[in-house]
Amino acid sequence: KQEVTQIPAALSVPEGENLVLNCSFTDSAIYNLQWFRQDPGKGLTSLLLIQSSQREQTSGRLNASLDKSSGRSTLYIAASQPGDSATYLCAGGNSGNTPLVFGKGTRLSVIA
Amino acid sequence: SAVISQKPSRDICQRGTSLTIQCQVDSQVTMMFWYRQQPGQSLTLIATANQGSEATYESGFVIDKFPISRPNLTFSTLTVSNMSPEDSSIYLCSVDGASGGLSEQYFGPGTRLTVT
Repeated sequence: KQEVTQIPAALSVPEGENLVLNCSFTDSAIYNLQWFRQDPGKGLTSLLLIQSSQREQTSGRLNASLDKSSGRSTLYIAASQPGDSATYLCAGGNSGNTPLVFGKGTRLSVIA
Repeated sequence: SAVISQKPSRDICQRGTSLTIQCQVDSQVTMMFWYRQQPGQSLTLIATANQGSEATYESGFVIDKFPISRPNLTFSTLTVSNMSPEDSSIYLCSVDGASGGLSEQYFGPGTRLTVT
């Protein structure tokens, strides 16, 4: 059964800093991995999706990588801004059209 | 992509009552998923709802407590029955917006439930 772990649980950085959020998973037969953003009391916004055949995806200041052999994914945020403050969740799926298994998230605070 | 709406967005309910949460998708989808997010926790899958068949529940969740309907390919409801304060959570529905061979999940805005 897939298990997803995220570290750190919380992170506070000054504005402008580049940062990396880490996600690890136990089953290397992962089908896809998604990174989400969640603002307090809100739903989830999909940030990046990486298919198992891909190594990385980029969207603006965000870059997500996937290394199936080591069971790891990272989310890189460049030039962080206070508006990036949120909880970031990674989730893995073992096949298409199946539910995701979520990590506990990293709560990010970017200080102006 | 898929756009998902949920009703209600939030509610405060008394112990022992029931609440039905609605999830509407702007396109036809095979599977819909219901998750619960307890305060300070990550998302836990409650059940998978497939149109035309009974929902499949995860360990720890039962149909009597969380009955689900899936009358068509764009709509589902989750009922939280005989509520207790421990049911206070955000409830989210999601769908797989598979397109062109890509599988990506989209989430509704969630229903924040407080049980007093």
